Amino acid sequence: AQKVTQAQTEISVVEKEDVTLDCVYETRDTTYYLFWYKQPPSGELVFLIRRNSFDEQNEISGRYSWNFQKSTSSFNFTITASQVVDSAVYFCALKGNTGFQKLVFGTGTRLLVSP
Amino acid sequence: KAGVTQTPRYLIKTRGQQVTLSCSPISGHRSVSWYQQTPGQGLQFLFEYFSETQRNKGNFPGRFSGRQFSNSRSEMNVSTLELGDSALYLCASSLGRGDASYEQYFGPGTRLTVT
Repeated sequence: AQKVTQAQTEISVVEKEDVTLDCVYETRDTTYYLFWYKQPPSGELVFLIRRNSFDEQNEISGRYSWNFQKSTSSFNFTITASQVVDSAVYFCALKGNTGFQKLVFGTGTRLLVSP
Repeated sequence: KAGVTQTPRYLIKTRGQQVTLSCSPISGHRSVSWYQQTPGQGLQFLFEYFSETQRNKGNFPGRFSGRQFSNSRSEMNVSTLELGDSALYLCASSLGRGDASYEQYFGPGTRLTVT
C-alpha cells in the first residue's frame, strides 16, 4: 500500500523566516512520482512540483526548494523568506507506477505566515 | 489556456436526493480524476476516466459513479445522499496517455452540503 505522512499539522512563522515542510512516503513501486500542491483558502489545489523517483536532484524555484532523499523516503519542501501570501495548506502526494492517475495525499500542513 | 472548470461551485441538497457534478478539463487533456476532500478523511481518490473509460476506482460505495464524454468532459453522480457526503469535490485533469508521470491540474471544486 502507498502512504504519505505529513507529521506537521500546522506551522506558524513570521514573515521572512525560512520554513521546511516535511513529507515521508511509503511505496513498494520501484518507479513512482512525488508532488507538492498548495491549497489557498479558495480551495483550488495548485500544482507546485513533480519529482520522479529516478531523479534525486534537488530543485530550486525562486523562494521554493525541494529536497528528495530516497534513502530516507522523504521529499521535503522549504520556503525561504516566507511571505504572507504563502499562507495555505500544503499537500504532499504520491503516485505509483500503476494505478494510472491516482494520487495518494498526505494530510496536509497548514502554514500560517504572519506579518 | 483555460484551466479546469467545475460546476456548480456550491450546492445544497437534502438527504436521500441525488446530485450531479460537472468537470471540464484543460483543452487537450484526456484524463479526468475526481477526489473528495473532507476534514476527517482528507483528500481521497474517487475515480479516474480516460477516453470515456473508467481506469481506476477508489474505495467508495456504488452510490458514487461517474462518466466521461467524447469531449473529455466528465460528470460524477452521487445517489441517495447522506450527511457524510458533505465535502469539497475536486476534479483534476492531466494528459493521461497511460503514463503515470503526468501532473494533475485541479479545478476550484464543488462544495456540496447535505442537510
